[in-house]
Amino acid sequence: DAGVTQSPTHLIKTRGQQVTLRCSPKSGHDTVSWYQQALGQGPQFIFQYYEEEERQRGNFPDRFSGHQFPNYSSELNVNALLLGDSALYLCASSRLAGGSDTQYFGPGTRLTVL
Amino acid sequence: QKEVEQDPGPLSVPEGAIVSLNCTYSNSAFQYFMWYRQYSRKGPELLMYTYSSGNKEDGRFTAQVDKSSKYISLFIRDSQPSDSATYLCAMSDTDKLIFGTGTRLQVFP
Repeated sequence: DAGVTQSPTHLIKTRGQQVTLRCSPKSGHDTVSWYQQALGQGPQFIFQYYEEEERQRGNFPDRFSGHQFPNYSSELNVNALLLGDSALYLCASSRLAGGSDTQYFGPGTRLTVL
Repeated sequence: QKEVEQDPGPLSVPEGAIVSLNCTYSNSAFQYFMWYRQYSRKGPELLMYTYSSGNKEDGRFTAQVDKSSKYISLFIRDSQPSDSATYLCAMSDTDKLIFGTGTRLQVFP
């Protein structure tokens, strides 16, 4: 049983560019959450998707947007990249019907903005 | 004041020691409490999950939640060098997890 997968593993972009990160949830899970983890910090919640809709959103600007597909996979898009967007981006999946607090994380995508 | 406070360490202990990791929080609405382990440059791995107050044991790991004091702990018995990692506490009242900053633990042989 494959766990949560994310792609790409690493990404280098320059300021002002746009980036798309991808996530496939664990089998049987229908909810995807995205987190940003800066170096030396805990993950910070960006937003959560269920049934292709954004359910909750953290304190992140509109430059951060997402999408969930019918197969439950998800994308995180970041526009107009800033140096401060450099971080590890984590995707977590869960099963809403079972109480989605048990979230399982993928390995993350490390984004570097130059 | 942060919603979740966690001592960043680092904490360095000899193999076989009992390790105590702690977090305090301010939001009394939190009902779900978790501990994650994160190895360098990897995603967090769920270790323990507790609902409301009480203790939960899984092998060498014991999680404790004291809601009256807004304090949670993770104990690791007979610590091993393979336990060297960053330990993150997390909690929620809805579906959004709020994390501490993580405590870096090093277990030396």
